[in-house]
Amino acid sequence: DVKVTQSSRYLVKRTGEKVFLECVQDMDHENMFWYRQDPGLGLRLIYFSYDVKMKEKGDIPEGYSVSREKKERFSLILESASTNQTSMYLCASSLSTGAGGRRQETQYFGPGTRLLVL
Amino acid sequence: AQKITQTQPGMFVQEKEAVTLDCTYDTSDPSYGLFWYKQPSSGEMIFLIYQGSYDQQNATEGRYSLNFQKARKSANLVISASQLGDSAMYFCAMRGVDSSYKLIFGSGTRLLVRP
Repeated sequence: DVKVTQSSRYLVKRTGEKVFLECVQDMDHENMFWYRQDPGLGLRLIYFSYDVKMKEKGDIPEGYSVSREKKERFSLILESASTNQTSMYLCASSLSTGAGGRRQETQYFGPGTRLLVL
Repeated sequence: AQKITQTQPGMFVQEKEAVTLDCTYDTSDPSYGLFWYKQPSSGEMIFLIYQGSYDQQNATEGRYSLNFQKARKSANLVISASQLGDSAMYFCAMRGVDSSYKLIFGSGTRLLVRP
């Protein structure tokens, strides 16, 4: 079974603090993702990584950075937390199988981190 | 642009009955994948079922099946013999070839199973 773990289920931080959210997967997946989920806005992709030290911006990268030094670990960093970053953060990983039009990349998610910024 | 539409914000179903959750999609990609996820109140997103656009048969996984109608661009999830533990949010998502790694999610349907 694929297992994706996140460092915290709940986190409370103050405005201006630097926040680290850690995600670890144990299935040797190449791809890892960070999403945030907000009521009425659904899931939005922040950043993803398709290999160690490689990263790509998603739809809403502003205010966030990421780090992937090891294949199994993908970190999301809030350099200076703000109240509008209060959200549910979901990490996911995937393995590419198949090729071309038959490629399947099922994303497996971690349990999520509910972050409150005061 | 790709888009997923789930028109049912909430649904009720009686325990042991079947229920269909609607999903329509829009894409210009000739090849794409469709996914359904379940999100209980605990927050984790659980993968349920996958359908590739080239797949000739509808996908099935245990009590879950996907009613895939390509011409109508619909990918409805059917849950048979509903259980109380099926109460959750359900999300339809799509990945396109050109979109590479990105998943586009619908707004979700909240399902409540009545005893």
